[in-house]
Amino acid sequence: KQEVTQIPAALSVPEGENLVLNCSFTDSAIYNLQWFRQDPGKGLTSLLLIQSSQREQTSGRLNASLDKSSGRSTLYIAASQPGDSATYLCVRLRDSNYQLIWGAGTKLIIKP
Amino acid sequence: NAGVMQNPRHLVRRRGQEARLRCSPMKGHSHVYWYRQLPEEGLKFMVYLQKENIIDESGMPKERFSAEFPKEGPSILRIQQVVRGDSAAYFCASSTSLQGTEAFFGQGTRLTVV
Repeated sequence: KQEVTQIPAALSVPEGENLVLNCSFTDSAIYNLQWFRQDPGKGLTSLLLIQSSQREQTSGRLNASLDKSSGRSTLYIAASQPGDSATYLCVRLRDSNYQLIWGAGTKLIIKP
Repeated sequence: NAGVMQNPRHLVRRRGQEARLRCSPMKGHSHVYWYRQLPEEGLKFMVYLQKENIIDESGMPKERFSAEFPKEGPSILRIQQVVRGDSAAYFCASSTSLQGTEAFFGQGTRLTVV
């Protein structure tokens, strides 16, 4: 059974800190991996997509890496801000593209 | 491009009523996926559709739930005789036919069954 695990489940840090969110998956036959954020009571916002042939993607203060050999992806957030507070979801895309395997998310709180 | 549009954003139904959730994919996207997010849980795949075809409904409950994506108009997720356990956020995503593309999600419909 393919699974995606996100650690930690919750994280609270002061504003300005750099932080890392972790995502691990059991099946190394990954196709793509995508990170989303979900704000309370709202929808999903795509942050970064890493295709299977890539090792990392960067967007602003966000950097996501993918290591297929170890079955891990990390989302690095630099200089965290209160507006970064949200739940961050890691999604593994199977080769058929539509079977998205979701982690349970990391709930991030940035304290002003 | 308005993105994936879902409506309504919030839907309240009494037990036993029918719920109809709509999803308009992004322009140029012919693939639609529905996911359900129960409170405090991750998203679970329900069904994958292309125009006029259900490709994979392995995640859909066998009873009361149905989905369609007609040639014209939005994709519809229909839940008959709703029960309290159907209360959840229902998300729709769309993509092109190419593998390796991003999945674009709508804002979701929050269904509350009272």
